[in-house]
Amino acid sequence: AQKVTQAQTEISVVEKEDVTLDCVYETRDTTYYLFWYKQPPSGELVFLIRRNSFDEQNEISGRYSWNFQKSTSSFNFTITASQVVDSAVYFCALSEANSGYSTLTFGKGTMLLVSP
Amino acid sequence: NAGVTQTPKFRILKIGQSMTLQCTQDMNHNYMYWYRQDPGMGLKLIYYSVGAGITDKGEVPNGYNVSRSTTEDFPLRLELAAPSQTSVYFCASSYSGQGASNQPQHFGDGTRLSIL
Repeated sequence: AQKVTQAQTEISVVEKEDVTLDCVYETRDTTYYLFWYKQPPSGELVFLIRRNSFDEQNEISGRYSWNFQKSTSSFNFTITASQVVDSAVYFCALSEANSGYSTLTFGKGTMLLVSP
Repeated sequence: NAGVTQTPKFRILKIGQSMTLQCTQDMNHNYMYWYRQDPGMGLKLIYYSVGAGITDKGEVPNGYNVSRSTTEDFPLRLELAAPSQTSVYFCASSYSGQGASNQPQHFGDGTRLSIL
């Protein structure tokens, strides 16, 4: 069975600090997909990034970067120079290539609090 | 761009009452999903559907029913509301063509349900 672990329940930082959110996953499939979602205080879920299991290239998007390492089954998310607007709950999720449709397994989320 | 629309946004039910949470999407997605989010527990899949007339159980289906008569709509039914069903409910949809399992799910804004 697939599993996603986000060991950090809550992280507090001061604005402009860098912060890394950890995500460790378990799956028996050789083909799978990893996602990060953001849930701001308003409650909606916002898709941030998708990564395929056969593509270990790291990705950077503005202040956001993602480090995918199959050797350690990790897909960590770093925010550089954090801002108050980054305060949210961040979810890591895993999808296996199962019958062509996407059923996501979510981690429990990491709440990030960025103070001014 | 409506995307995924859920109604109502908030509801209070008494134990034993029934209700239907509505979900509709305008992206012509065949795949639709219902999740519940409990505090500190991430999202858990209740039911999903891969197309009109086809539904299947997720991780936590007990106490719920679904139907999918059209591509657009995927209502979730609570027959006998129980306090354990107090939660935030999210509906989502995703692309269903080739490579569907790596496509992100698009979420509605959620329905906050309290059962007293």
